[in-house]
Amino acid sequence: NAGVMQNPRHLVRRRGQEARLRCSPMKGHSHVYWYRQLPEEGLKFMVYLQKENIIDESGMPKERFSAEFPKEGPSILRIQQVVRGDSAAYFCASSPTMDGYTFGSGTRLTVV
Amino acid sequence: KQEVTQIPAALSVPEGENLVLNCSFTDSAIYNLQWFRQDPGKGLTSLLLIQSSQREQTSGRLNASLDKSSGRSTLYIAASQPGDSATYLCAVNSGGYQKVTFGIGTKLQVIP
Repeated sequence: NAGVMQNPRHLVRRRGQEARLRCSPMKGHSHVYWYRQLPEEGLKFMVYLQKENIIDESGMPKERFSAEFPKEGPSILRIQQVVRGDSAAYFCASSPTMDGYTFGSGTRLTVV
Repeated sequence: KQEVTQIPAALSVPEGENLVLNCSFTDSAIYNLQWFRQDPGKGLTSLLLIQSSQREQTSGRLNASLDKSSGRSTLYIAASQPGDSATYLCAVNSGGYQKVTFGIGTKLQVIP
């Protein structure tokens, strides 16, 4: 059981570029969650997805951010036209039902 | 809106001491509460998950308690070791579909 796999571990983007973060949930987990951790702040909920459906995106910025969890393949968090304020650690978690999360190791995005 | 507070923000203890980390939450209507540890630059590792119907959970030297009525949880670490040094996060699940609120964490340093 490989756990929740996130890649890349580190991502550097210049302002205005696009960032794509990938998350493969644990085998058998159909619920995926994305969280963002800004420096010196707690993790903040961004979006909750099930296969092919966005269940709750109330934590996502209205512009430039999008997420998907296709029928096949990993969940993708996409940030268009990145700005310095997007620099953070982005964590993905998965769960089978309503029980506790398993987290990935995160992707650390640095915008230069 | 659920708010989660962790006290203290940082703690330094000599090796071998027993210690308690505190987590308080404002809305007692929770589904479960989970304690994580986060090592610098790394992901989150789940330590203990307490369902709302439970009062405590134990794993090795760790014991977590839950008092929903007072909105409190504690994480007790017995016989602390330098390897316990990390940031400990409390996460409260109060959403019908697992929207979780995290505390900012307690940064623990165990001095050899």
